[in-house]
Amino acid sequence: SQQGEEDPQALSIQEGENATMNCSYKTSINNLQWYRQNSGRGLVHLILIRSNEREKHSGRLRVTLDTSKKSSSLLITASRAADTASYFCATVTQGGSEKLVFGKGTKLTVNP
Amino acid sequence: SAVISQKPSRDICQRGTSLTIQCQVDSQVTMMFWYRQQPGQSLTLIATANQGSEATYESGFVIDKFPISRPNLTFSTLTVSNMSPEDSSIYLCSVVPTGETQYFGPGTRLLVL
Repeated sequence: SQQGEEDPQALSIQEGENATMNCSYKTSINNLQWYRQNSGRGLVHLILIRSNEREKHSGRLRVTLDTSKKSSSLLITASRAADTASYFCATVTQGGSEKLVFGKGTKLTVNP
Repeated sequence: SAVISQKPSRDICQRGTSLTIQCQVDSQVTMMFWYRQQPGQSLTLIATANQGSEATYESGFVIDKFPISRPNLTFSTLTVSNMSPEDSSIYLCSVVPTGETQYFGPGTRLLVL
């Protein structure tokens, strides 16, 4: 079953702008992971943030986690046309196995 | 990280037939996961496959429809049985080789006519 919602469902921006995607979840988690998927292909792992972390950076990516609100955000700065893809958050439930529960995803379009 | 391959990469099948999807990992892993992604949708876990034991299926998925084999620590197969057009999806396997990061294979795109 889906863990929660991602918002927005679709986002269209111009190259150079920043893109922010939000993810909410329902249960206590061990970690939250963000993935990118290009045109229905395999998933590329972007970043993992643990439940005791509040913010992580990786290149142009910045992820925040607010466990009190059960939400996370992914910020892509200085976007490029190559960032056009679907972005998914996925959580590992606390006390569970390593299986992931995915959000519904945000379809990002970066216009050149 | 892990290098994961899947075969076939895509297939077109007739309803009522079965397709077996293979997943190969370049390192030994305890658990392998199988996910389904229906058109335009997110990923849903089908089952968790441990070597040497029966796979654990999620609610809504049954062994008769999606039998899984896990003969060793680097390989697994998922069979989609008695297919119908509703089974048209991308099927992905994934692993957690070390730590917590889960890595995915490239997926098998299935179209059932």
